[in-house]
Amino acid sequence: DAGVTQSPTHLIKTRGQQVTLRCSPKSGHDTVSWYQQALGQGPQFIFQYYEEEERQRGNFPDRFSGHQFPNYSSELNVNALLLGDSALYLCASSSTGPAEAFFGQGTRLTVV
Amino acid sequence: GQQVMQIPQYQHVQEGEDFTTYCNSSTTLSNIQWYKQRPGGHPVFLIQLVKSGEVKKQKRLTFQFGEAKKNSSLHITATQTTDVGTYFCAETQGGSEKLVFGKGTKLTVNP
Repeated sequence: DAGVTQSPTHLIKTRGQQVTLRCSPKSGHDTVSWYQQALGQGPQFIFQYYEEEERQRGNFPDRFSGHQFPNYSSELNVNALLLGDSALYLCASSSTGPAEAFFGQGTRLTVV
Repeated sequence: GQQVMQIPQYQHVQEGEDFTTYCNSSTTLSNIQWYKQRPGGHPVFLIQLVKSGEVKKQKRLTFQFGEAKKNSSLHITATQTTDVGTYFCAETQGGSEKLVFGKGTKLTVNP
């Protein structure tokens, strides 16, 4: 079992550009959540996908959007990148209900 | 809104000393989860506490959930260098799967 896999691992983008991050959940998991972790902070919830629909959303602007595919994999898109979007983006998968979340290794995004 | 406060922010110990981190909430928690994140790594699930007054042990780690379900603690006995990392508590509420993380306690261990 490969666990949660994310790609790419590192990314450098210019302010104003757009970025797409990808996540494959752990086998058997149908729920994917995305978190943003700034340096020295705890992960902040962006949104969660279940059955290809956004089920919950945190306090992030509309520049952050996502998608879940029929195979439960997910993408996180960020438009009009700002310097403040530089962070570690974590994908977590879980089965339905408040259960243990399995995190991927994250994508380190740097906006210059 | 939901908020969990975690203290201390940093803790530096000598190897062999004990370590405790505390998590407090202004609202009653349905459950609390604990995660460990090694330097340069990602959060790894340690435990979930659900019942009032619950105590769970994992080798040298002891987890407690307060009687009022508004606080929790993680205690490590006789720390080792492998315990280095940041320990986060995270709450969920009302069946939601959204995790609200504390800011974490960064533990360093001097060999």
